[in-house]
Amino acid sequence: GAGVSQSPSNKVTEKGKDVELRCDPISGHTALYWYRQSLGQGLEFLIYFQGNSAPDKSGLPSDRFSAERTGGSVSTLTIQRTQQEDSAVYLCASSLMGSTEAFFGQGTRLTVV
Amino acid sequence: KNEVEQSPQNLTAQEGEFITINCSYSVGISALHWLQQHPGGGIVSLFMLSSGKKKHGRLIATINIQEKHSSLHITASHPRDSAVYICAAHQGAQKLVFGQGTRLTINP
Repeated sequence: GAGVSQSPSNKVTEKGKDVELRCDPISGHTALYWYRQSLGQGLEFLIYFQGNSAPDKSGLPSDRFSAERTGGSVSTLTIQRTQQEDSAVYLCASSLMGSTEAFFGQGTRLTVV
Repeated sequence: KNEVEQSPQNLTAQEGEFITINCSYSVGISALHWLQQHPGGGIVSLFMLSSGKKKHGRLIATINIQEKHSSLHITASHPRDSAVYICAAHQGAQKLVFGQGTRLTINP
């Protein structure tokens, strides 16, 4: 499809396990963002990739969270040793370089039990 | 204090009413987004504004750069407009700073 694709759409994991969330941005979009929305909360910025520049990791809540973007395209968000407070919808968005219009994926709903 | 504040947090109205959702921001921005999030659904970008006013169907968005304020209006509201509406400020060309959202419920 032509939009931002995220997988899986839903993930249930046991506390303490590691999870990987995937984001396929729109082709040609050099900027990629990860956000999360915890239950009843607003959207929270996690990390931003722009081209080959060093990512802005200022929103990552702990060192259990990491993200990478391979080949300037697909990105994976990894959460190690998941905790119940990590349960949230994780959203990915992408945009063209220099554009302020961001296109969102459908999100991955993560539930840590 | 959040950098982006929305009001009201919750709004319930009857079908047909004129709806206004407000957004104030304290940061310098290059653009402001209005987003719509349906229950269990993804996020859809409604508008991106850097000045003035935009209209799409029954939706109107305005922004006053000097006052650091934006409004989203819905005319002739309908139950299918029920959703969370989120204001997001673009700082430079980088991250978005989000408001907490306004939960809108339109009753038939």
